[in-house]
Amino acid sequence: GIQVEQSPPDLILQEGANSTLRCNFSDSVNNLQWFHQNPWGQLINLFYIPSGTKQNGRLSATTVATERYSLLYISSSQTTDSGVYFCAVWDSSYKLIFGSGTRLLVRP
Amino acid sequence: DVKVTQSSRYLVKRTGEKVFLECVQDMDHENMFWYRQDPGLGLRLIYFSYDVKMKEKGDIPEGYSVSREKKERFSLILESASTNQTSMYLCASSLGLGGTDTQYFGPGTRLTVL
Repeated sequence: GIQVEQSPPDLILQEGANSTLRCNFSDSVNNLQWFHQNPWGQLINLFYIPSGTKQNGRLSATTVATERYSLLYISSSQTTDSGVYFCAVWDSSYKLIFGSGTRLLVRP
Repeated sequence: DVKVTQSSRYLVKRTGEKVFLECVQDMDHENMFWYRQDPGLGLRLIYFSYDVKMKEKGDIPEGYSVSREKKERFSLILESASTNQTSMYLCASSLGLGGTDTQYFGPGTRLTVL
């Protein structure tokens, strides 16, 4: 099955700093998504980004499907950005395969 | 907005008890999912359902069963709770199973089995 790997596993930032999170996937896919899980456990979809670049406020994502990776950029980070960021792809058996996540802590 | 609700945020049960976790979605989604989340292990799929009364095993179905009698409701059942089932349980729903479809998650139930 598809393997999804994320790096780094943990990241600590000072408020205002920028960061890049990476997601690698093992097979050709065209349906990569990014999620954020807040410190209280709620998971929310951030982007559906099968290829190209999308931006939403201070967050943007780029997927290069031919090279099997996606990047999530967080600019001018805020404490509310803290939590865990997951990337995920649908596999051929109709399951959404999640990476292991990047845990982000933004300090004031 | 899609809303997925779970019956409890926190639950404490004793070993051997039968435990019901309830999930309700309000967007007429065909598909519903149960995951458990443990530190270092990410999200692992327990079961999903693609229609009323239909279910498919996920990656870790042992020790769990599910029920979907109505489209909007998907229940996870722990027949005889054990301490290794202490975890965060997340329910999700989606309109489809691929492509542009995304999953909408409930707030989670943090279950402790003593």
